[in-house]
Amino acid sequence: DIQMTQSPSSLSASVGDRVTITCQASQDIRKYLNWYQQKPGKAPKLLIYGASNLETGVPSRFGGSGSGTDFTLTISSLQPEDLATYYCQQYDNLPTFGQGTRLEIK
Amino acid sequence: QVQLVESGGGVVQPGGSLRLSCATSGFTFSTYAMYWVRQAPGKGLEWMAFIRSDGQNTYYADSVKGRFTISRDNSKSSLSLQMNSLRVEDTAIYYCVKDRIERVQGEFGNWGQGTLVTVSS
Repeated sequence: DIQMTQSPSSLSASVGDRVTITCQASQDIRKYLNWYQQKPGKAPKLLIYGASNLETGVPSRFGGSGSGTDFTLTISSLQPEDLATYYCQQYDNLPTFGQGTRLEIK
Repeated sequence: QVQLVESGGGVVQPGGSLRLSCATSGFTFSTYAMYWVRQAPGKGLEWMAFIRSDGQNTYYADSVKGRFTISRDNSKSSLSLQMNSLRVEDTAIYYCVKDRIERVQGEFGNWGQGTLVTVSS
């Protein structure tokens, strides 16, 4: 199985901050990497697919980059509604998720 | 719009069985691969099972292989998960999931609201 490692596990940031979450794969997954946002008590929501493609309806402050084994999710200007846990997921092989990054608003 | 509605969750004793269902609408079910993803209380996401659009190929996470069976009825636009030999560690919310687009597998574009399975004596 391909292991996905996210960092940090949690972070706290202020409204307006630029936030970066990283995800590392245990082997080359090319660009087969998605990012999801899960708000408390809700189902996950797809934000980014194919490492860098913004899902329809997702605000442009969200962005993804990377290929191979190292990937990044960036929120350019943090908003209060971005309080959530964020997960990466690879689909180069049978799907596996990262352990999640809990984002808190200061 | 796309709707995925899970049902069948509940409380079951260790070693018992449960069958989850997912009723779908708003898309051509027979052309999409479908998945079950679970989330234990307070924990992260774990992919469980995957079935191709024609139902001919199925895949499972090692943690449930041999105990869980995914199936689909394309005539009824429904997905199922038969869970046998349940363990306490199978306690989780189980989500029915659909690909974002039909020609690319693994981009989980639509999720149901989830159904809670509790395995406890």
